[in-house]
Amino acid sequence: DIQMTQSPSSLSASVGDRVTITCRASQSISSYLNWYQQKPGKAPNVLIYAGTSLETGVPSRFSGSGSGTDFTLSISSLQPEDVATYYCQQSYSTPYTFGQGTKLEI
Amino acid sequence: EVQLVESGGGLVQPGGSLRLSCAASGFTFSSYTMNWVRQAPGKGLQWVSYITGSSSTIKYADSVKGRFTISRDNAKNSLYLQMNSLRAEDTAVYYCVRRESSAWYYFDSWGQGTLVTVSS
Repeated sequence: DIQMTQSPSSLSASVGDRVTITCRASQSISSYLNWYQQKPGKAPNVLIYAGTSLETGVPSRFSGSGSGTDFTLSISSLQPEDVATYYCQQSYSTPYTFGQGTKLEI
Repeated sequence: EVQLVESGGGLVQPGGSLRLSCAASGFTFSSYTMNWVRQAPGKGLQWVSYITGSSSTIKYADSVKGRFTISRDNAKNSLYLQMNSLRAEDTAVYYCVRRESSAWYYFDSWGQGTLVTVSS
């Protein structure tokens, strides 16, 4: 199985800050890396797919980078509504696996 | 608008069985691979199983293989998860999830989830 490791596990930042979350795969997954946002009590929603592609309707302050084993999710200017837990997920092979999550607080 | 609505969750004793259902609408159900993803209370996300549009390919996580069975009825736009020999560690919110139809295999639509609690 491909292990996904996110860092940090939690993060506190201020409105307007630039925030970066990293995700590392235990083997190369090309660009098969997706990022999800989960707000408390809600289902996750996809933000970024294929490593760098912004899902339709997602604000442009979210961006993704990386390929192979190392990936990054960035929020250019943190907004109050961005309080959530963020997960990376590899879709390279089954079992599809997720990172442990990064809880973002303001 | 894509809608996925799960049902069938509840409290069940260890060793018991439960069948989850997911009613899909707003898209051509038979064209999509569908998944179940679960989340234990306060924990992260775990992929459970997927079934392709024609039911020709089915995959399971090792933790549920031999105990859970995924199926679908395209005429009814419905996805199912038959869960047998349930264990305490199966306690979770179970999400019905659509896999996007491109080659990138990401999860583009999620239901609201149904809670399964395995406890005596």
